[in-house]
Formats: sequence, structure tokens, C-alpha cells
Amino acid sequence: DAGITQSPRHKVTETGTPVTLRCHQTENHRYMYWYRQDPGHGLRLIHYSYGVKDTDKGEVSDGYSVSRSKTEDFLLTLESATSSQTSVYFCAISGVQRTDTQYFGPGTRLTVL
Amino acid sequence: GESVGLHLPTLSVQEGDNSIINCAYSNSASDYFIWYKQESGKGPQFIIDIRSNMDKRQGQRVTVLLNKTVKHLSLQIAATQPGDSAVYFCAERAGAGQFYFGTGTSLTVIP
Repeated sequence: DAGITQSPRHKVTETGTPVTLRCHQTENHRYMYWYRQDPGHGLRLIHYSYGVKDTDKGEVSDGYSVSRSKTEDFLLTLESATSSQTSVYFCAISGVQRTDTQYFGPGTRLTVL
Repeated sequence: GESVGLHLPTLSVQEGDNSIINCAYSNSASDYFIWYKQESGKGPQFIIDIRSNMDKRQGQRVTVLLNKTVKHLSLQIAATQPGDSAVYFCAERAGAGQFYFGTGTSLTVIP
């Protein structure tokens, strides 16, 4: 998985609780991404980062926030989880440019009850 | 957003046969395409890529064909093995580096 770890790998939580997912990379890549994967949909971009403290929204960013305080870590936070955020979340990285090939982590399966 | 789809949601092949997985893309300006393999419970794994200035690219047991005229991409797997069973999906890179991903085709290899 291209030097990418995600934690936790599985999480069950209740509606209204905050949740933070972590992505850690050892490749020193500039770009990091958070996607969600749902049945019937391709991977959809939530947020991405192009450097420490530099982030931008993707197509499905509502209800999510991100932070990147170090090159190797990219956090995804659900401030108040909803059942519609039940999904599998993938982190990805790419190198120098956003146009570079993206490599994915193993994923986090999140269930919001 | 972009629409990247697949012609068949499932595909079953006999072990040893060749597999062909198809993908249609919608943006004629897309300049780069990737095939990923995703096994159950795992993250997508890069298989092979192709740039829009190419028609064909070969890897180990895999070949990607690009037909820009009809906006079609295919992945050919030679001598399919049980370990090839997975979901395969394509991705296209549109403007500003945005990637769009297909929903995938589930390949089952019958021993």
C-alpha cells in the first residue's frame, strides 16, 4: 500500500459523535487525499492537501474537515457523524504535482449507527 | 462531475483464459488514465496507466488499450489466475489534476 497506513481500520460510532481518521505516509509525498467509497459510486474526493496546512475541498466535503500539521499525517474529522457518512474511507498520496498518479492506503470502514 | 463507467458490472472467466474489462469515459480532454485493482477489504492497487498520446501499453500479463475516438478504455489480463479475482476500475484525469473513478467491474476467476 505504497507506505500508507490508516487508523483505525474499522470503527463503529453513534450519530452525533465526533470521529477522526488518520492517514500516515512514509513516502514524503506532497499531496494527500481523502476519498469515500460507497456502493454504486466511484471513489469521491472529500478533501485534499498540497502541503502542510494547505488544504482544499473536494466534491463531497460537507460535514468533513481536515488538517495537516506534518507532511506525513493527514487527518479527516467528522465533527458530528451522521448515518450518511457510513462508508469506507481511503487515503491516497501523490508526488510532486496533483496530476501525479495516486496511490491508496488500506482504508477505514466507518459505521455510524 | 465526470462520468466514468463500465460496460459490465461482473465478469466470470475460466482460469487460464484471457479477461477483458471495459471502461467508458466522458471527457475528451482527459489526458491520463489508470487501472486499479481492488481486492476485498483492501485499498485500490495501481496496475497500469496510459497517457492520451498512446493507444496501447503493456505490462506484465496486462495490456491497456485506449480508443480516444469513442472514449473507451480496456484492460486485458492474459492467462487469468485465481489471484486476479477482484474489482477493477478505471480512473481518468481531467482538467486541473482532478481524477474521476469508475464504479468497477467484479472479476471472478473460475478454477
